[in-house]
Amino acid sequence: EDQVTQSPEALRLQEGESSSLNCSYTVSGLRGLFWYRQDPGKGPEFLFTLYSAGEEKEKERLKATLTKKESFLHITAPKPEDSATYLCAVDRGSQGNLIFGKGTKLSVKP
Amino acid sequence: DAGVIQSPRHEVTEMGQEVTLRCKPISGHNSLFWYRQTMMRGLELLIYFNNNVPIDDSGMPEDRFSAKMPNASFSTLKIQPSEPRDSAVYFCASSLPGQPQHFGDGTRLSIL
Repeated sequence: EDQVTQSPEALRLQEGESSSLNCSYTVSGLRGLFWYRQDPGKGPEFLFTLYSAGEEKEKERLKATLTKKESFLHITAPKPEDSATYLCAVDRGSQGNLIFGKGTKLSVKP
Repeated sequence: DAGVIQSPRHEVTEMGQEVTLRCKPISGHNSLFWYRQTMMRGLELLIYFNNNVPIDDSGMPEDRFSAKMPNASFSTLKIQPSEPRDSAVYFCASSLPGQPQHFGDGTRLSIL
């Protein structure tokens, strides 16, 4: 059965304290892995797409990496405005049929 | 550019009532998706359309749920009759072929 698991469920960091979020997946025929950010009361906002093992994407303090079984979202020197829930999703290749993980809730304290 | 627009933003109704959620996708996007988000199950795909045609409705939980897309700029998700366990946040998303999905801000539904 196709599955996406994110860890940890919640992460508290001090401002400037770098860390990583994990997304492990089991899916037949991965067509892409997506990272989204979700703020309270809002819909998920697209961050990155990764397609093949070894691929990396960066945006400001965020860097996403992909292996054959998992993806990491690295956060370097986070700021309070990085506080949000980060969602990982995999494309099973059926015209955009995504499976989402339950997310990691990140809190960054000043 | 206007994003995906959903209405209403909040809906509170009593069990047994009919609920209709509405979505206007981004202009030009030909794929539309309906999701449900709960604490227990996270974000789950209910149904999606390509070029206004339903492609996969295997995520629709029961016959009480139905979705339509009468044209490229409008879709509805209907629950009839509603039950307390339907309480959740419902999201609509749209995309171009092979491109990331863009989400609306959701409808928070409470069934009393």
